[in-house]
Amino acid sequence: ETGVTQSPTHLIKTRGQQVTLRCSSQSGHNTVSWYQQALGQGPQFIFQYYREEENGRGNFPPRFSGLQFPNYSSELNVNALELDDSALYLCASSLDRSNSEAFFGQGTRLTVV
Amino acid sequence: AQTVTQSQPEMSVQEAETVTLSCTYDTSENNYYLFWYKQPPSRQMILVIRQEAYKQQNATENRFSVNFQKAAKSFSLKISDSQLGDTAMYFCAFYPSNTGKLIFGQGTTLQVKP
Repeated sequence: ETGVTQSPTHLIKTRGQQVTLRCSSQSGHNTVSWYQQALGQGPQFIFQYYREEENGRGNFPPRFSGLQFPNYSSELNVNALELDDSALYLCASSLDRSNSEAFFGQGTRLTVV
Repeated sequence: AQTVTQSQPEMSVQEAETVTLSCTYDTSENNYYLFWYKQPPSRQMILVIRQEAYKQQNATENRFSVNFQKAAKSFSLKISDSQLGDTAMYFCAFYPSNTGKLIFGQGTTLQVKP
């Protein structure tokens, strides 16, 4: 177990809806990254938060947004859901933004119908 | 663009045998890290082994070792004495220093057969 927890584990949403996914980082970690993993593919970097500020973003549209809270937990919000947003969403925490070692949660499986 | 390529979508090995998973990457960076992650059906991404690019010595973690060839931009994973619990998807990942993001390959599904 990595100490990184994500909720919910599974979620079904309708196209056009909005969704919020949550992540609690490992104790002592101030950096959280989010990844999208389509079925049978490798994870793709969405963005990273460090001390409540966005610290890098991948090639995802603005309807993917995030937050990090003072306790370093984090949320990923996706607006106007599309069918292609169906994927496993992984959260990873690390000791700080310059630390390469990331510890992953078990992911949230999002299905958009 | 920085990319990671795993050319073996699926591999199988008999229990107790040795298997090697391949990975190549493309970058102009000089300082970076390389990782192998294991993702079992439980979905959690588990770190198997890590290599710093500035270290010439290949990393080893128990039954897992790497063959890091910096000039060739190659980073293969060798699993010795394969166990049934090694059955999983394996991802090679590249971390350019201070970028905050991991770049993953497409993955290799490894099946260990009894």
